Amino acid sequence: DAGVTQSPTHLIKTRGQQVTLRCSPKSGHDTVSWYQQALGQGPQFIFQYYEEEERQRGNFPDRFSGHQFPNYSSELNVNALLLGDSALYLCASSLLGQSGANVLTFGAGSRLTVL
Amino acid sequence: QQQVKQSPQSLIVQKGGISIINCAYENTAFDYFPWYQQFPGKGPALLIAIRPDVSEKKEGRFTISFNKSAKQFSLHIMDSQPGDSATYFCAASMRTNAGKSTFGDGTTLTVKP
Repeated sequence: DAGVTQSPTHLIKTRGQQVTLRCSPKSGHDTVSWYQQALGQGPQFIFQYYEEEERQRGNFPDRFSGHQFPNYSSELNVNALLLGDSALYLCASSLLGQSGANVLTFGAGSRLTVL
Repeated sequence: QQQVKQSPQSLIVQKGGISIINCAYENTAFDYFPWYQQFPGKGPALLIAIRPDVSEKKEGRFTISFNKSAKQFSLHIMDSQPGDSATYFCAASMRTNAGKSTFGDGTTLTVKP
């Protein structure tokens, strides 16, 4: 049973560049949430995608955007990168609805370094 | 705005001892309180979770205690083992959408052999 897969695992960018991170949810899950985990901190909710639409959004600027595809996979895009965007970006999948909605499965993350 | 506060930041316990990590939340709309375990290079993995209609839940060596009136909950690890050495995060969310969770800042647990 494949869990949540993310790519790339590591990447280095310079300030002002743009980055795209990818996520494939766990089989059977239909919802993808993205989190930013700065060093030494807990994950912070960026946004959530369900039925190919952004359903919920955390306190992140519009530089952060995303997409969900018909196969439930998702992308996170960050424009105009800042040094402070350096973090581990985690994708989590779940099944939205009355059953299984509280089972959140995380991927291993994409480590972004902005120089 | 820190809605979930976790303590301590780090914890060192001898093998066989009890590890206790505490969390406090502010938003009374939260009705699902999971604990996650994260090893270096891995994503958080669900360890155990509780709903506010019960005061305690036990799964093996792991127990959650929940105090609704105080808006606090804690994780107890009995008979701590070196393999339990990891970072532990508490979280809070709505039961119908754990995808939007608010996390604590984590506790790094070291179990000495």
